[in-house]
Order: sequence, then structure tokens, then C-alpha cells
Amino acid sequence: EIVMTQSPATLSVSPGERATLSCRASQSVSNNLAWFQQNPGQAPRLLIYASSTRATGIPARFSGSGSGTEFTLTISNLQSEDFAVYYCQQYNNWPRTFGQGTKLEIK
Amino acid sequence: QVQLQQWGAGLLKSSETLSLTCAVYGGSFSDYDWSWLRQSPGKGLEWIGEINHSGSTNHNPSLKSRVTISVDTSKNQFSLKLSSVTAADTAVYYCARGETGMVRGVMVYWGQGTLVIVSS
Repeated sequence: EIVMTQSPATLSVSPGERATLSCRASQSVSNNLAWFQQNPGQAPRLLIYASSTRATGIPARFSGSGSGTEFTLTISNLQSEDFAVYYCQQYNNWPRTFGQGTKLEIK
Repeated sequence: QVQLQQWGAGLLKSSETLSLTCAVYGGSFSDYDWSWLRQSPGKGLEWIGEINHSGSTNHNPSLKSRVTISVDTSKNQFSLKLSSVTAADTAVYYCARGETGMVRGVMVYWGQGTLVIVSS
């Protein structure tokens, strides 16, 4: 099983600034990496797939990069609705696996 | 518009069988994979397994011996059964639609989630 490790566990950033979230895979997943946003009591929402492709309706301030084992989600000009928990997920291998999440909180 | 609506028993006792069903509205049922996942405070998000319209499945080895995923194409529904549950199976369970083709494994649409609590 591929282990996904996210850092940091919690990130404090001020509105209007940029947040950078990291995700590392225990072995190469090529670019088969997705990012999700989750708010309390809601299902995860797909933001990014194929490492850098924004899902339908996702604002341009969300961007993803990386390949192989190292990935980054960058959120520019943070808005109030962006403060949530973010998960990375690999879909290169079965079983599909998720990182443990990064909580983005208001500084 | 694609919607996934799930339901099932929310309170179980140890050793019972968890049973959930997910109905799909909108889109072509036969063109996608259909997944079950769960989320607990202790283990985060966990993929349980998936099935396609023809009944072919993939499972998480950690749960495989207890999991049955089935599909009813006549109703555009798929189901999860998890046998011999324990308190460790307490979680919010989600169904999701998985893309196929070049982006196989990407899960865009999710159900609303069902909280399942296992008591001893």
C-alpha cells in the first residue's frame, strides 16, 4: 500500500495570503494525485486531479504541482471559505490511499 | 446533474453486518466505477473498494475478507456489506463515483455520508 504523508498537520495563514500544502508518497504515483477540500459535516470536494488539473468550477487561486513522490497544493489570495481541511489522494495503485490531512486555519 | 444518495442503518452492535446502499441519479451508470469509502477520527479517509457496472470489484486488502460490494444496474444502485463489525468500524461512510479511462480513480461526486456507530 502506498502511504501518503501530508505536511504540516496544521497551517495558520492570514486571509489574502498564500498557503502551500505538501504531500509525499511512499513510492512514485506518477501524476495520479488528487486534492480534496473538506468542511465540517460535508463530504470531500475534489479540487485538483492529475496533480495540476483543476476540477470543474474550482477557482484559479487553487493550483497543484508535482509528480512522482512530491506534490504541492498552493492556494493564493486566501478567502474565508478556503479555511478547511485538505487531503491528498493517490489513484495510481490499489488500494487508493489518502493523506492524513492538513487543517488550514485563520491566523 | 449527478447526485448520489445513500442510506442504511446507523446504529449496529458488535458482530452484526453493516449494510448501506447508494442510488445514483444522473449520468450513465455503466460508464463509471462505484466506490465506498469511510472516515473515522482515528484513521482518516479510507478507501474500502469499488465495483463497475458488470460487477468487477477491487477491494482494500485490510477489509477484503469482510466486504461485499454489489451492484443493481436496473435501479442504478450499488451496495456495501461489512460483516462482523466492531467499534473500530465506527465511521462516516461515503459512496462516490470514480472516473474511468485516463483518469480512472478520480472521485468527483460523493454521497452525503452516513454515520455508522457500532456499540458493544
